[in-house]
Amino acid sequence: NAGVTQTPKFQVLKTGQSMTLQCAQDMNHNSMYWYRQDPGMGLRLIYYSASEGTTDKGEVPNGYNVSRLNKREFSLRLESAAPSQTSVYFCASSFWSQETQYFGPGTRLLVL
Amino acid sequence: GQQVMQIPQYQHVQEGEDFTTYCNSSTTLSNIQWYKQRPGGHPVFLIQLVKSGEVKKQKRLTFQFGEAKKNSSLHITATQTTDVGTYFCAGRSGGYNKLIFGAGTRLAVHP
Repeated sequence: NAGVTQTPKFQVLKTGQSMTLQCAQDMNHNSMYWYRQDPGMGLRLIYYSASEGTTDKGEVPNGYNVSRLNKREFSLRLESAAPSQTSVYFCASSFWSQETQYFGPGTRLLVL
Repeated sequence: GQQVMQIPQYQHVQEGEDFTTYCNSSTTLSNIQWYKQRPGGHPVFLIQLVKSGEVKKQKRLTFQFGEAKKNSSLHITATQTTDVGTYFCAGRSGGYNKLIFGAGTRLAVHP
C-alpha cells in the first residue's frame, strides 16, 4: 500500500498562474482533506470531502477549488496563484471524518 | 468558532530532560488526537483520547485528556534525539465535523 500520495513534490509558480495539486489514497477511505501549513500557524483546513460526491469549505477556502474525482482522488486547484499561497500543502484521508487522518508527503509551493 | 491553542510554541531541552506540551480548547471536545511531524516530514498520528480524564501511555509518552474535555497534554519522559519534531494536538467538538489543529509545539533535543 502506498497510503496517501501527492504530486508534485515541489512547484514554483508565477503570480496569476494556475495549477492543480493531485492527491490519491489506496486505503479505501471515505473522507479526504486538504490542509496548508505555514510557519507558526499549524495546519489549516482548506477543503474537505466527507464522502465521495461531497465537498465542503474549511477554514481558509478562498482562492482554491477542489474536485473529488472518485473515492480515491481529491484534487486542489489554484486558479490564479498569489504569493500568499506560498505554503506546504498536505492531503490527508480517513476512513470516516471522525477518525484518524493519514497524511501524504506534502507539496511545497512557491509563488513568486 | 472552535479554537485549539497549544503552548509552548517552541521548547529546547537537553537529552534526558522531560518535556510537556499543553493544548486548550475554547469549547468542549468530543475527542482529541495527537500527531507528530518530523522535520521535513508529514504529520503522523500518535493517539486519540475520547473519555473525560483519560490517560494513555506509549512507552515514554503520556497523554492526558482533561476532566472537562477542554484541555489535553503530552508529556515525554527522558527525551531522546529521536523525539525531535513538532507535536500537534487536534480536536473536534461534538456536531462539528472538522478536526481543528493547534499551532504545534516544536521540540528540539540537544545531546
